Amino acid sequence: AQSVTQPDIHITVSEGASLELRCNYSYGATPYLFWYVQSPGQGLQLLLKYFSGDTLVQGIKGFEAEFKRSQSSFNLRKPSVHWSDAAEYFCAVAPNTGTASKLTFGTGTRLQVTL
Amino acid sequence: DGGITQSPKYLFRKEGQNVTLSCEQNLNHDAMYWYRQDPGQGLRLIYYSQIVNDFQKGDIAEGYSVSREKKESFPLTVTSAQKNPTAFYLCASSRTAPNYGYTFGSGTRLTVV
Repeated sequence: AQSVTQPDIHITVSEGASLELRCNYSYGATPYLFWYVQSPGQGLQLLLKYFSGDTLVQGIKGFEAEFKRSQSSFNLRKPSVHWSDAAEYFCAVAPNTGTASKLTFGTGTRLQVTL
Repeated sequence: DGGITQSPKYLFRKEGQNVTLSCEQNLNHDAMYWYRQDPGQGLRLIYYSQIVNDFQKGDIAEGYSVSREKKESFPLTVTSAQKNPTAFYLCASSRTAPNYGYTFGSGTRLTVV
């Protein structure tokens, strides 16, 4: 079974600073990988996803993530954080079966942005 | 606009009472899911359905029940057997092939009073 680890529970960055949120997965093959963002009291919004091909994927709101097979990682990055990026971020993995399947989520990283 | 609607946004349950959370989607997605979210635990899968009139248990199905009589609807009932129901509940849907990830509703916060 697949699993996801987000080692950082809480991260604080200054507005304008760069950001990297870590995500490590466990799966026997190359999985489908996702990053979601959640504002307080809201549902989750998809930021970006990786299925195959180029290992650097671009998402919405200026986010990008890089798939590194050798490290089983899919870290989320943003060059310059805005105060509105404060939220909780979830990494998720699904088997690469070509059909709908269950997503397994990490426990999330809460991002705080200081002005 | 297409999307997923969860209602109500807030729900209060008395001890020993069953309550039903609504989830409706107009995205024409075949698969639907229910997750429970507790602080520090991420999202845990309760039930999922990939086709009408069929559903499977997730990781924490005890004390919950679902039905999938229509493609658009996937209601979740929290029964009195669920001893700790206070949580944030999220419904999601997806296509079945290929997997594009989930679209989420805005959630229902259930509190036991």
